[in-house]
Amino acid sequence: GDSVTQMEGPVTLSEEAFLTINCTYTATGYPSLFWYVQYPGEGLQLLLKATKADDKGSNKGFEATYRKETTSFHLEKGSVQVSDSAVYFCAAYSGGYQKVTFGIGTKLQVIP
Amino acid sequence: SAVISQKPSRDICQRGTSLTIQCQVDSQVTMMFWYRQQPGQSLTLIATANQGSEATYESGFVIDKFPISRPNLTFSTLTVSNMSPEDSSIYLCSVLAFTGRSEKLFFGSGTQLSVL
Repeated sequence: GDSVTQMEGPVTLSEEAFLTINCTYTATGYPSLFWYVQYPGEGLQLLLKATKADDKGSNKGFEATYRKETTSFHLEKGSVQVSDSAVYFCAAYSGGYQKVTFGIGTKLQVIP
Repeated sequence: SAVISQKPSRDICQRGTSLTIQCQVDSQVTMMFWYRQQPGQSLTLIATANQGSEATYESGFVIDKFPISRPNLTFSTLTVSNMSPEDSSIYLCSVLAFTGRSEKLFFGSGTQLSVL
């Protein structure tokens, strides 16, 4: 089945720093890729997604590009805010398996 | 998008008892899933809830422990049976909705279960 490898946290950054959270996947075929965010005490929310190679998903200043050649979907943000503190999950969906596989989650803490 | 109502939102249960979690979706969806998120961990898929047939369980999960019902395309239940403290976790209902040519996975708010 599919697998998603995500950098372990926690990641601690100062406000306005640049953020990168690495994510790579293993799948047969070309899965759809997602980033989910879980704020403290809340449920999971879809942050962004990409469905094919070279697609760029973006939302709330976050971006991730579907790189087929490196099987990656790294999450980036140019200037993080304290309100971005959350756990971020990378995920992949393959129609063949009809299920979504999640990475381990990366906790981000942004300090003022 | 799909709006998912999950209840209860939290419960504290005694060892050896069972708890049934309900998941209601505001639209008909084909794919419904139940996940578990243990403290500080990622999401682990328990099973795919199939309408009109037995659920499809992932490795490590069995029907006797986690019976699932899916009587129609908008509703499902997950029961955590004969609970032990190791079952303390957040249980999440999710649905896969297809919008245009892409798909999105939506989540309920989760059920936080504590077993004493």
